[in-house]
Amino acid sequence: AQSVTQLDSQVPVFEEAPVELRCNYSSSVSVYLFWYVQYPNQGLQLLLKYLSGSTLVKGINGFEAEFNKSQTSFHLRKPSVHISDTAEYFCAVARDDKIIFGKGTRLHILP
Amino acid sequence: SQTIHQWPATLVQPVGSPLSLECTVEGTSNPNLYWYRQAAGRGLQLLFYSVGIGQISSEVPQNLSASRPQDRQFILSSKKLLLSDSGFYLCAWSIRPNSPLHFGNGTRLTVT
Repeated sequence: AQSVTQLDSQVPVFEEAPVELRCNYSSSVSVYLFWYVQYPNQGLQLLLKYLSGSTLVKGINGFEAEFNKSQTSFHLRKPSVHISDTAEYFCAVARDDKIIFGKGTRLHILP
Repeated sequence: SQTIHQWPATLVQPVGSPLSLECTVEGTSNPNLYWYRQAAGRGLQLLFYSVGIGQISSEVPQNLSASRPQDRQFILSSKKLLLSDSGFYLCAWSIRPNSPLHFGNGTRLTVT
């Protein structure tokens, strides 16, 4: 069965600094991977997705993620964060026609 | 364009009372529909999903049920709420299995 692990429950980072949010998945078959963002008291919004093709995926708001099959990872990165990036970020994987989510990483932007 | 509506936004219900949360999708036909529950620090738990009218799959045995009376309508229900049913409930749709999900704005349910 596929599962998703987000190792960090919270990540503090200074404004304009780079950030990486880690995600590892377990799977023995082809994967579809996603990153979502959730702002307070709202639903989730798709940041980016990997279905096939280039392993470097660019998303909205300047985020990107790299699919690494050998390390079974799909880490999310942004070169310079802004205060508006304060939110919770969820990694997800498709499994048996369903989307399974990690437990989320809360990104705190420090002034 | 497609839109998803979920209501109410917040709800406070006493233990033992019934529940009905509704979700509708506009601008697409035969969507896959999903109910998730979000508890603090536990991510999103898939509760139910549906690939068509009257077709409901349950992921976790619990005090809740779901129904899909129309193509673009998905309802989450309970006959008697428990304190443990408190949480943030999210409805979502996708055009096909394994496709990205599109979420509603959620319902914050507090059972007292």
